[in-house]
Amino acid sequence: AQSVTQLGSHVSVSEGALVLLRCNYSSSVPPYLFWYVQYPNQGLQLLLKYTSAATLVKGINGFEAEFKKSETSFHLTKPSAHMSDAAEYFCAVSTGFQKLVFGTGTRLLVSP
Amino acid sequence: NAGVMQNPRHLVRRRGQEARLRCSPMKGHSHVYWYRQLPEEGLKFMVYLQKENIIDESGMPKERFSAEFPKEGPSILRIQQVVRGDSAAYFCASSPGDNNNEQFFGPGTRLTVL
Repeated sequence: AQSVTQLGSHVSVSEGALVLLRCNYSSSVPPYLFWYVQYPNQGLQLLLKYTSAATLVKGINGFEAEFKKSETSFHLTKPSAHMSDAAEYFCAVSTGFQKLVFGTGTRLLVSP
Repeated sequence: NAGVMQNPRHLVRRRGQEARLRCSPMKGHSHVYWYRQLPEEGLKFMVYLQKENIIDESGMPKERFSAEFPKEGPSILRIQQVVRGDSAAYFCASSPGDNNNEQFFGPGTRLTVL
């Protein structure tokens, strides 16, 4: 079975600061990993995905994530936060052609 | 290419009534997933369907909930005799069925049970 742990239900950064959202996964087979963003009262938008190609994955809006098998991690980063990045971020895992298993989410707060 | 469409966006029901949530997948997508998001929680998988078949319903409550994806028309998530605990946002996602499992999400239906 797969699972995802997102450390920190809330992360606060200042505008222009580095964003780091943590995700650790558990999977008995090589995983597919995803980061989604959710703005208030909206659906989920895919930021980026790892599907066993390059371990450093670049996504939309300047976000990227690095797959580290030895650490079972897939942390999301962005060099410089914008006010518009304030949202809920979800890490998810699947083993291919199946359901996504989501973490509990991290709310990113960006202050001026 | 229109995205995943869900309707209604908001649905209010009284306890004991039935709720029907509809999901039209993206054009060319034959795989549909339903997820439920309770307040302040992440999304929890409910059911995975392909046309006319339920593939995985391991996340569906055993009673009152059912789902279908007919040959023609949208996928339907049906909740009978709703209770207050059913109040949540219900999201549908679709995928084309290739192996990277990228799922595209709809805007959700927010169900409120009075």
